[in-house]
Amino acid sequence: GENVEQHPSTLSVQEGDSAVIKCTYSDSASNYFPWYKQELGKRPQLIIDIRSNVGEKKDQRIAVTLNKTAKHFSLHITETQPEDSAVYFCALNQAGTALIFGKGTTLSVSS
Amino acid sequence: NAGVTQTPKFQVLKTGQSMTLQCAQDMNHEYMSWYRQDPGMGLRLIHYSVGAGITDQGEVPNGYNVSRSTTEDFPLRLLSAAPSQTSVYFCASSPLDRVEGQPQHFGDGTRLSIL
Repeated sequence: GENVEQHPSTLSVQEGDSAVIKCTYSDSASNYFPWYKQELGKRPQLIIDIRSNVGEKKDQRIAVTLNKTAKHFSLHITETQPEDSAVYFCALNQAGTALIFGKGTTLSVSS
Repeated sequence: NAGVTQTPKFQVLKTGQSMTLQCAQDMNHEYMSWYRQDPGMGLRLIHYSVGAGITDQGEVPNGYNVSRSTTEDFPLRLLSAAPSQTSVYFCASSPLDRVEGQPQHFGDGTRLSIL
């Protein structure tokens, strides 16, 4: 089945710095790439997504880039704040709607 | 709209007991799925359904059964619970798209401990 590799597993930054999380995949048929944020004890929540016909998408301090040729996509968070501290998951679709998730990145933003 | 509702929120079982985790959505979504979340393992897909009467296996289906008799409900059954099934279980739903993926709406999760 599809394999999604997510790196790094933990990331510690200072408030105001940028954070980048990268995911690589193998199935060239995947065409939907969302990112989810999960705070402790809460449900995963969608923060941004990108489709295969787009190379980059931004939403305020968050951006996602996609390189379909190299089969990787990345989450970029600029001007990080303490409230950005959470676990972030990349995902991609397999066989249409079914989502397969990476193992997660724990982001810690210290003030 | 309540969104995706999971019950119970917490449950403790003994090895060998059976249990059904309930999931209901009121958004008329055709696609529903179950994930389990374990530390360091991310969310792993157990089973999914593209509509009433249709289910399919995900990455880790062993030990779990599902059925989909209505659009709204997608229960997950553990027939004989094992300690390895201790986990947090999330149900999710979305509109169905057979070509492209759709944002998934997650429930609040069920925390299951098996002794």
